[in-house]
Amino acid sequence: KQEVTQIPAALSVPEGENLVLNCSFTDSAIYNLQWFRQDPGKGLTSLLLIQSSQREQTSGRLNASLDKSSGRSTLYIAASQPGDSATYLCAVRSNDYKLSFGAGTTVTVRA
Amino acid sequence: GAVVSQHPSRVICKSGTSVKIECRSLDFQATTMFWYRQFPKQSLMLMATSNEGSKATYEQGVEKDKFLINHASLTLSTLTVTSAHPEDSSFYICSARRGLANEQFFGPGTRLTVL
Repeated sequence: KQEVTQIPAALSVPEGENLVLNCSFTDSAIYNLQWFRQDPGKGLTSLLLIQSSQREQTSGRLNASLDKSSGRSTLYIAASQPGDSATYLCAVRSNDYKLSFGAGTTVTVRA
Repeated sequence: GAVVSQHPSRVICKSGTSVKIECRSLDFQATTMFWYRQFPKQSLMLMATSNEGSKATYEQGVEKDKFLINHASLTLSTLTVTSAHPEDSSFYICSARRGLANEQFFGPGTRLTVL
């Protein structure tokens, strides 16, 4: 069974600082990995999707890397803003198409 | 494109009643829909997977008679929580897969509170 862990559970930084969010998974036989953002009491917004054959994906200030062999992914958010405050979820899709989620990292960016 | 809606967004009910939650893909046909539940500060847990016109596949530990799923069309799936109890209080999120694409689109969630 795929286990997904996210560290840290919570993070508070001043505005402008870069954010580094970590995700690890136990089974390296994955189809792809996806990062989501979740605002309090809301659903999920997809941020980045990395296929198993890819090493990284970038979108604006966001960059996600994937090291499948070591079971790790990192989400980098450059020059953080208060609007980046949210919970960030890492999800791994196995070859049976099921998504396994981490518990998330709750980010607070202080103005 | 790729919008998924859920209704209602919030529901409060008395213990013992049944609650139906609808999930719709608004601008695409969903070959597969997924239902998740999320407890505060915890991860999303997959409850069941449903394909249009066939019975849902439930994850281990999820009572199929308690959580009835009907995937009646390519744009609508419903989750009925039967005889709800306070421990069923949670955030329920649906997700839809478009065609054979490998990306899921998530609804905004439904907050269920059972008194």
